[in-house]
Amino acid sequence: EAQVTQNPRYLITVTGKKLTVTCSQNMNHEYMSWYRQDPGLGLRQIYYSMNVEVTDKGDVPEGYKVSRKEKRNFPLILESPSPNQTSLYFCASRPRVSGSNGETQYFGPGTRLLVL
Amino acid sequence: AQKITQTQPGMFVQEKEAVTLDCTYDTSDPSYGLFWYKQPSSGEMIFLIYQGSYDQQNATEGRYSLNFQKARKSANLVISASQLGDSAMYFCAMSSNTGGFKTIFGAGTRLFVKA
Repeated sequence: EAQVTQNPRYLITVTGKKLTVTCSQNMNHEYMSWYRQDPGLGLRQIYYSMNVEVTDKGDVPEGYKVSRKEKRNFPLILESPSPNQTSLYFCASRPRVSGSNGETQYFGPGTRLLVL
Repeated sequence: AQKITQTQPGMFVQEKEAVTLDCTYDTSDPSYGLFWYKQPSSGEMIFLIYQGSYDQQNATEGRYSLNFQKARKSANLVISASQLGDSAMYFCAMSSNTGGFKTIFGAGTRLFVKA
């Protein structure tokens, strides 16, 4: 089954304790991305990657890091989490070449993060 | 700068009626894609429909159609014959075809379908 997986799905942590949210896709997609969703703001792109070892900042990259060492994985790293990073996080992937569905993004199930 | 605007924070529609969710966008890119996603209360993001900026015809997917007016920079979602299961948050999004994977979303419209 084609899917994007994220782990953990729920996480409560404390300020300053480094954490990593993993993202993996099994569709051999070139493009992967991280978003955060906050009430009234929709989804905002944090980082995206166009291929292995190629990443770029989205609209809200401050406080986050990413890496793309393998095509299927795109972890999101919070080196020193703060309460304003409490949010719902989504990972997404997309093929580089448009298909019949255009550039459909496939989303993971989301990770709810609470930083105390 | 790119921008997506959804002016309707919430909407009500009677079951079996059609409803239009508004979306306007702003971009200087000549090539871009427009998307609509549905987010039910369970939280997952469900892809509904896509429109490419060079597509001549409006996209349709079952009960969903996208009313694309390029000159007005609008990409409204039309849901025909609303069902109770359509109650959800709906997001309009735009992805630049010249800027890699950079994608922006609107703030969303919450749709309530009344029985």
